[in-house]
Amino acid sequence: GQSLEQPSEVTAVEGAIVQINCTYQTSGFYGLSWYQQHDGGAPTFLSYNGLDGLEETGRFSSFLSRSDSYGYLLLQELQMKDSASYFCAVKATNAGKSTFGDGTTLTVKP
Amino acid sequence: DTAVSQTPKYLVTQMGNDKSIKCEQNLGHDTMYWYKQDSKKFLKIMFSYNNKELIINETVPNRFSPKSPDKAHLNLHINSLELGDSAVYFCASSPDGLAGVRHIQYFGAGTRLSVL
Repeated sequence: GQSLEQPSEVTAVEGAIVQINCTYQTSGFYGLSWYQQHDGGAPTFLSYNGLDGLEETGRFSSFLSRSDSYGYLLLQELQMKDSASYFCAVKATNAGKSTFGDGTTLTVKP
Repeated sequence: DTAVSQTPKYLVTQMGNDKSIKCEQNLGHDTMYWYKQDSKKFLKIMFSYNNKELIINETVPNRFSPKSPDKAHLNLHINSLELGDSAVYFCASSPDGLAGVRHIQYFGAGTRLSVL
């Protein structure tokens, strides 16, 4: 099976940079994804890492280290609208599903 | 056009009733899922279908029965509803099945089920 660990809550101020970590345990790792979910909304895909390194999409970046079973989501120039829950999700090889972490609630303060 | 749409958006019902939630995707994806998100926001997979075939059934009570009439639709029927079934149920689809590369999932808006 798979298990993931991420912090339950993170607080930061507008304009700051925040990093949300995710460590995972899985047999046959395939890739790590990140999803954002606003209160009352649906999870939406943010980023995917299949290989080691950094993937950048605008203000958001995601990093993966397969040897450390670790990844993070980096949010820069935080805005109030970034207040949401962020989920990491791991896909194992030949598993027709991703397993989601318990989510990190990010609160951005003025 | 909504990519993954599910109905109804809200469902309030009494314990013991039977209810259904419908999901449709117009993305041409082969794989569809049902997730349950509880009050603590934990997102747990319930079922996965690939091209109308059940491929994942995650220890879900048999009161929950998914049905996929075609690969664009995955419905969820729940019998004898219990208080603990109160949650948000999300339908999702992805373009890849077992051998997919970027396993991106597209979620519907959710169905908020309240069992009284």
